[in-house]
Amino acid sequence: AQSVTQLGSHVSVSEGALVLLRCNYSSSVPPYLFWYVQYPNQGLQLLLKYTSAATLVKGINGFEAEFKKSETSFHLTKPSAHMSDAAEYFCAVSEGGYNKLIFGAGTRLAVHP
Amino acid sequence: GAGVSQSPSNKVTEKGKDVELRCDPISGHTALYWYRQSLGQGLEFLIYFQGNSAPDKSGLPSDRFSAERTGGSVSTLTIQRTQQEDSAVYLCASSLGRSPANYGYTFGSGTRLTVV
Repeated sequence: AQSVTQLGSHVSVSEGALVLLRCNYSSSVPPYLFWYVQYPNQGLQLLLKYTSAATLVKGINGFEAEFKKSETSFHLTKPSAHMSDAAEYFCAVSEGGYNKLIFGAGTRLAVHP
Repeated sequence: GAGVSQSPSNKVTEKGKDVELRCDPISGHTALYWYRQSLGQGLEFLIYFQGNSAPDKSGLPSDRFSAERTGGSVSTLTIQRTQQEDSAVYLCASSLGRSPANYGYTFGSGTRLTVV
């Protein structure tokens, strides 16, 4: 079965600093990978997804992620953090013929002035 | 509708009571998923519908949990004899077609269930 590990349940950065949220997956087949963001009291919003096209995927709000097969990683980055980026971020892999999403435990990002 | 609608947004119930949570997916979306997000936990898959059929119920935690979907549209998740450990946010997602990894998933805002 596929699984997702997000390293660091909490990450804190200064406004303007690099954001790096780590995600590693396990999969026996080429995966579909996703990053979602959840703002307080809201549902999940798709940031970006990897579906075996380009390995560097650009998403909304200046986020991007790079698929590295050799490292089984799909880390999320943003060059310069903004206060509005404070939220919880979930990495997910799509599993099986029914394409259900298997989520990591999430990383809560705090951005301080 | 324009998005996935879930109701109620908040539900407080007494231990032992039954509750029904509703999901109204985007019109035309044949795939529908229920997930549970417990405090401090990630999102846990519960059940998947394709049309009115549920080919994957593997995530339902016990026989107190059931779900149905009618008319290929609205879905109801029912929890019988609620327990405090059922307290969580229940999220619904829908997708167009049989390849949601390609089409994308749209999530509702969830129902926050509190069992007291």
